[in-house]
Amino acid sequence: NAGVTQTPKFQVLKTGQSMTLQCAQDMNHEYMSWYRQDPGMGLRLIHYSVGAGITDQGEVPNGYNVSRSTTEDFPLRLLSAAPSQTSVYFCASSYLTYQTDIYEQYFGPGTRLTVT
Amino acid sequence: AQSVAQPEDQVNVAEGNPLTVKCTYSVSGNPYLFWYVQYPNRGLQFLLKYITGDNLVKGSYGFEAEFNKSQTSFHLKKPSALVSDSALYFCAVRDKDRGASGTYKYIFGTGTRLKVLA
Repeated sequence: NAGVTQTPKFQVLKTGQSMTLQCAQDMNHEYMSWYRQDPGMGLRLIHYSVGAGITDQGEVPNGYNVSRSTTEDFPLRLLSAAPSQTSVYFCASSYLTYQTDIYEQYFGPGTRLTVT
Repeated sequence: AQSVAQPEDQVNVAEGNPLTVKCTYSVSGNPYLFWYVQYPNRGLQFLLKYITGDNLVKGSYGFEAEFNKSQTSFHLKKPSALVSDSALYFCAVRDKDRGASGTYKYIFGTGTRLKVLA
């Protein structure tokens, strides 16, 4: 299994440009999520999904869109990039059991995004 | 809201010495707590979790964590540190309430950088 893969590894955008960060997993995990990591702030949840067609907002959703058309893929879209979105972005996935809902997440290697 | 705090930005320890990375939590109800490790230029990796039961939880790479309800702490420990343990460590907690989609989100601490000195 490749696990959780993210592309690209690095990206530089100009303010106002749009782009999509790709995330895919081959473990048949229902739960997928996007976090951003900033110095001194730890990881903050942007959006998450419990399955195809179902998404929910995290702590910092503004400026980001997501959709989940398949179990495997969970892309993150920046419609109009701003310097405040300069960060490292991590995608994660996990099994989802409604009986317990207590599970560990598998993280991708991250995308380092710089907005100038 | 549920939260975790990691009071130390960095912890230095000599190789072979015991290490402790601190985490305190603020939750209502039963806490569900996790530790993750991040090596340089990598994603996070799960180390261990506490759900219920024994207060000492054993995890990967020789790490363990001690749950203390009276002190609301969940400190990560290892009896003998290795240089290869140098990394960024995150404590996390499951949120109390389900979101609109019917499941929970997870809240991470700010991270503690562990440096093990040879």
